[in-house]
Amino acid sequence: DGGITQSPKYLFRKEGQNVTLSCEQNLNHDAMYWYRQDPGQGLRLIYYSQIVNDFQKGDIAEGYSVSREKKESFPLTVTSAQKNPTAFYLCASSIRGRYTDTQYFGPGTRLTVL
Amino acid sequence: AQTVTQSQPEMSVQEAETVTLSCTYDTSESNYYLFWYKQPPSRQMILVIRQEAYKQQNATENRFSVNFQKAAKSFSLKISDSQLGDTAMYFCAFMKIAGGTSYGKLTFGQGTILTVHP
Repeated sequence: DGGITQSPKYLFRKEGQNVTLSCEQNLNHDAMYWYRQDPGQGLRLIYYSQIVNDFQKGDIAEGYSVSREKKESFPLTVTSAQKNPTAFYLCASSIRGRYTDTQYFGPGTRLTVL
Repeated sequence: AQTVTQSQPEMSVQEAETVTLSCTYDTSESNYYLFWYKQPPSRQMILVIRQEAYKQQNATENRFSVNFQKAAKSFSLKISDSQLGDTAMYFCAFMKIAGGTSYGKLTFGQGTILTVHP
């Protein structure tokens, strides 16, 4: 089955630790995205990548880092510099091209800082 | 910068009835996409419907349809024959297009929680 997987589903982190959230897709999509969702708010874009080995900051990139070494994978690292990392994180992907940028989402990872 | 506003934090509807969710947006762009996504209690984001701004015809997907008013910058979602499975948070989202392709950046509204009662 084609789709987007995120792991783990739940993640607990101690203050001062870096953690990495996994996002994998087998849809052969070019572009991938990371969003953060806080209670009562919409999604906010953290980082996005339209091709391998290239990525851009979104609206709230501070305290986060990403890599895009393979087309299928776009891991997100939440660093100790992120002051309020407890949130729900969603990964998405899309075909990059003319009028075909509908994004499809993974199931999400709930990160809690203890 | 684009903004998307959903002015109804919560709505409820009886099963089999029709409900309309509101969305307005602010942009200086002339070419863009608009989307409605659904997030049920599982928190999986699911695409409901998509509208291209250059198309005057309103998009329809089964029981879901939109009323797109470009001049008014309004994009409402109508759900007909509401079902219990429609209970979810609904997000309106905007995507700018430039040069024939898009930047792929979605701007989301705050969401509307819809509850369908039996």
